Amino acid sequence: EAGVTQSPTHLIKTRGQQATLRCSPISGHTSVYWYQQALGLGLQFLLWYDEGEERNRGNFPPRFSGRQFPNYSSELNVNALELEDSALYLCAGEGGQPSYEQYFGPGTRLTVT
Amino acid sequence: DQQVKQNSPSLSVQEGRISILNCDYTNSMFDYFLWYKKYPAEGPTFLISISSIKDKNEDGRFTVFLNKSAKHLSLHIVPSQPGDSAVYFCAASAVDGGSQGNLIFGKGTKLSVKP
Repeated sequence: EAGVTQSPTHLIKTRGQQATLRCSPISGHTSVYWYQQALGLGLQFLLWYDEGEERNRGNFPPRFSGRQFPNYSSELNVNALELEDSALYLCAGEGGQPSYEQYFGPGTRLTVT
Repeated sequence: DQQVKQNSPSLSVQEGRISILNCDYTNSMFDYFLWYKKYPAEGPTFLISISSIKDKNEDGRFTVFLNKSAKHLSLHIVPSQPGDSAVYFCAASAVDGGSQGNLIFGKGTKLSVKP
């Protein structure tokens, strides 16, 4: 069974540009969560998608957005990039009951210059 | 305001001995707790979880203990091995409508197991 995949592995953008990050959860997992890990900080919750709908978002500005596709894969978009957006972006899938564990992908390293 | 706290940023243990990693939480709505292990530039790897209806869960060398009255949980690794050296994150959530809901992570404890 394939694990959670994320693309690209690395992404280098300039301030003001837009970044698009992609995630495919494990087959059968319908919820996708996005987290940000900035340098020296812990993992901060960004967005949660379930069955194509945004269920919750963390304390991030609206320029962080995303969507979930019918096959449960997901896309995170970051508009008007700022230097402090440089971070490791992780996505996780979750299959719901009876097991609530979230399984993470390897992450996308976004660097904003 | 940190809802999940790991007060020890680092821990060093001798190979073969017990490693005990601690975690405290403040939100009484949390009902599911997880431990993850993370290597640099990789995604966290799920280790073990515990529901609030239990006070102990064991999986091989890993045991998680939950003390709800103290809002405290701990991860025991016995025996510790050099390959266990990594950053360990405690996470908590409040199950929401059949899904886990977003995880709230502690800042992690870096475990070093010395041969």
